[in-house]
Amino acid sequence: DSGVTQTPKHLITATGQRVTLRCSPRSGDLSVYWYQQSLDQGLQFLIHYYNGEERAKGNILERFSAQQFPDLHSELNLSSLELGDSALYFCASSAGTSGGGDEQYFGPGTRLTVT
Amino acid sequence: LAKTTQPISMDSYEGQEVNITCSHNNIATNDYITWYQQFPSQGPRFIIQGYKTKVTNEVASLFIPADRKSSTLSLPRVSLSDTAVYYCLVGYSGGGADGLTFGKGTHLIIQP
Repeated sequence: DSGVTQTPKHLITATGQRVTLRCSPRSGDLSVYWYQQSLDQGLQFLIHYYNGEERAKGNILERFSAQQFPDLHSELNLSSLELGDSALYFCASSAGTSGGGDEQYFGPGTRLTVT
Repeated sequence: LAKTTQPISMDSYEGQEVNITCSHNNIATNDYITWYQQFPSQGPRFIIQGYKTKVTNEVASLFIPADRKSSTLSLPRVSLSDTAVYYCLVGYSGGGADGLTFGKGTHLIIQP
């Protein structure tokens, strides 16, 4: 158990809909990262927040947005969903201010299926 | 331009030592090298991190030559449960998105 929690575990929705994925970091960690993993794309970095502020952006679509709240939990919002958005979405946390030098702790993931 | 290059797949047998090499020709002075392991449908798990020379922990060793342009993850006496995808990352704390590029990793398959 990494100490990172993600809800829901599974999500099935239709194209065009909007969903919210939630992540609670390990106690004391200020950084939260979001990743998308689909079969053909590998693990793709989406966005990183540190103590409520956006720190780095990766391959995140404009239809996707995220935020980190004062209690440090984070939400990833996916809108106008397409079939290609079906994937595993992972959240990770770390104690530091990001970059490859931090040890990241990953949650169990949310499996999103868009039909 | 990708920061790291790894073999797409490797296979070995139980009880053997496995070495996975990662190339990172453009590594910066501040960058650390970190390896993760991922099982199907699970999040990646930290294995080991190093800056130079050799680092060893209870599960693996990491060898980094003096020029730091590559690194080798060494798994001693592998078992079937070591079948997983292994990722090499290069970056530093406080760095940006470049250091968070996992890529497709190396799919290691261990056979009996």
